[in-house]
Order: sequence, then C-alpha cells, then structure tokens
Amino acid sequence: RKEVEQDPGPFNVPEGATVAFNCTYSNSASQSFFWYRQDCRKEPKLLMSVYSSGNEDGRFTAQLNRASQYISLLIRDSKLSDSATYLCVVRGSGGGADGLTFGKGTHLIIQP
Amino acid sequence: NAGVTQTPKFQVLKTGQSMTLQCAQDMNHEYMSWYRQDPGMGLRLIHYSVGAGITDQGEVPNGYNVSRSTTEDFPLRLLSAAPSQTSVYFCASSYSRGGGISPLHFGNGTRLTVT
Repeated sequence: RKEVEQDPGPFNVPEGATVAFNCTYSNSASQSFFWYRQDCRKEPKLLMSVYSSGNEDGRFTAQLNRASQYISLLIRDSKLSDSATYLCVVRGSGGGADGLTFGKGTHLIIQP
Repeated sequence: NAGVTQTPKFQVLKTGQSMTLQCAQDMNHEYMSWYRQDPGMGLRLIHYSVGAGITDQGEVPNGYNVSRSTTEDFPLRLLSAAPSQTSVYFCASSYSRGGGISPLHFGNGTRLTVT
C-alpha cells in the first residue's frame, strides 16, 4: 500500500455543487495533515491544515479520520475558480526524508 | 515581500551540460527544500536543508548537488544533465522542518527540458 493515496480524478462537477474527496495514508503514527491546492502550471499553495476535530474555512471543510486513516476535503457551493489539483500532504508518515509525503493529487474541474 | 524566488523559469539544456537553479527566500526560513514534479509521480524531494551549512538528501538526490551557505539561498546544481531530469522543479521554504508549524512556501517553479 502506498504511503499517501489519492484518487487522481478528474472529478467533473457542476458549478454550485458540493464535492468531496479523500486521501488515505498508511502510517498510523502520522502526525500532521494538510491540503494544498495547485493550479495548472503553478506552484502548490497551502489550502488548509487538517485538525483532529475537523476544521472549516468558508466553503471548505477538512476532516481527519484516524481510525480509518484518511483525511477528507469537502467543497460546498463550488466555483469555477475551484478548478485545480488538490494535494494531500502528510507529515510523519515515515516517508519522505524530511518527514513530508505528498499525494499525487486529485484533479477537480468545475463546469459552468 | 518577494517570498520564494526561483530562477530561471524555463531552461533547455543539452545532455551533459551543467547548470544551477537558483532559489532565494526573504522570510528568514530555516528550512528549504527542492522538489521535482513529473506527470503521474507527484512531488518528489531531491534535497533539503534545515539551516545554513546543513543539507541532506531526499528521495531522488542522484545527479543533483546543493549547498546552503546562507539562510536565504539554496541553489540546486545539475552536474551533468540527462533527459531523465526533464521536469518541473520547485523550491520551498518553511519556518520548521517539514512545514509542521508553518506551511511550505513554494517558488513558482523552473521548467527544465534536457534534450
């Protein structure tokens, strides 16, 4: 099993819809979790950290399920500008020499 | 505040040539790293540094060298370019190792083609 796995998509979602996707991680000792957003041909940017109790930032909600070892990202009332690749990042998963492991990303396309 | 600045944005090399990708940050971050991103492979760590004078290998270090003589600069050197090094390279920095406390800040990337 790979350390951090994401469904590559693409997820094609109509504007205004709610979309959610998950990221699974293999090491139960993983400590910190993040969602990054990467636009086409651009650098990744932090979208939000994922806290044990779950957290919300506007239309975005991130949750952590330690028992099943996955994190999720939910986007409500999706906008065209939400089209991007969403990278899951796990810290302390045992992978990555610096303790960070990146998923390969989920490609989201919001359609008008 | 410039953040993380990478140069050049695009580069074409011939096999066997050497070059240096520049990376500078003005946020006084101790941690800096280099990643390469290839289709279907995700971001892979090449080298990283937790402070001036300290560097360490990531998961794909072969063919690359780094140095960290100052807190601000973390150049990546390709010793003898190979077509397998065709990729997009990102430099990143953070207050803490692995971005555990503060997020990784990425430069806007260098698109390298080796022919």
